[in-house]
Amino acid sequence: DTAVSQTPKYLVTQMGNDKSIKCEQNLGHDTMYWYKQDSKKFLKIMFSYNNKELIINETVPNRFSPKSPDKAHLNLHINSLELGDSAVYFCASSHSGETQYFGPGTRLLVL
Amino acid sequence: GENVEQHPSTLSVQEGDSAVIKCTYSDSASNYFPWYKQELGKRPQLIIDIRSNVGEKKDQRIAVTLNKTAKHFSLHITETQPEDSAVYFCAAMHASGGSYIPTFGRGTSLIVHP
Repeated sequence: DTAVSQTPKYLVTQMGNDKSIKCEQNLGHDTMYWYKQDSKKFLKIMFSYNNKELIINETVPNRFSPKSPDKAHLNLHINSLELGDSAVYFCASSHSGETQYFGPGTRLLVL
Repeated sequence: GENVEQHPSTLSVQEGDSAVIKCTYSDSASNYFPWYKQELGKRPQLIIDIRSNVGEKKDQRIAVTLNKTAKHFSLHITETQPEDSAVYFCAAMHASGGSYIPTFGRGTSLIVHP
């Protein structure tokens, strides 16, 4: 009965490939997020999405795109992967933007 | 947009000492301030939070204080234990359109020496 789950846990891929990370929450929350955590541990918000609005951090390259098939899922698609995309990606959800419940993270390594 | 500064970046204490981590924010409209703890290899998890209508909140060995006028808030951990060793993040929540967006500080690595 995991609250926020992500798959895969680890992702190793070659530069130039396209990959997706899936996220699901069973908390009934109205807002979902994607974060990137780099090697220095900085948590950078990439996207915030509820059923009304997608907010994009303007510094995120357009190779990254969120896709939400329904309120419980927010997947992250990454096109033309680059070395600098290597990081841990966390999905999170919240009710009206308050306490963030994080998924376990996806460790992406681009070779 | 909101900007959150967090200090120190690293904090080393002896077991039993107190630890204080400080954050400042820039957007006076921010009204919710959570603190997260991230152990090595794990996900960030909420440990305590405070809203703008409250000046202080305590939960056992952990307390948070908020000074709205000065736009700063602090995390206080008393009687530290080795299991308190982790990265701690502060955050400030502000409204953007119809959504609330969290802005995180850059994190404080707390090391508690036995």
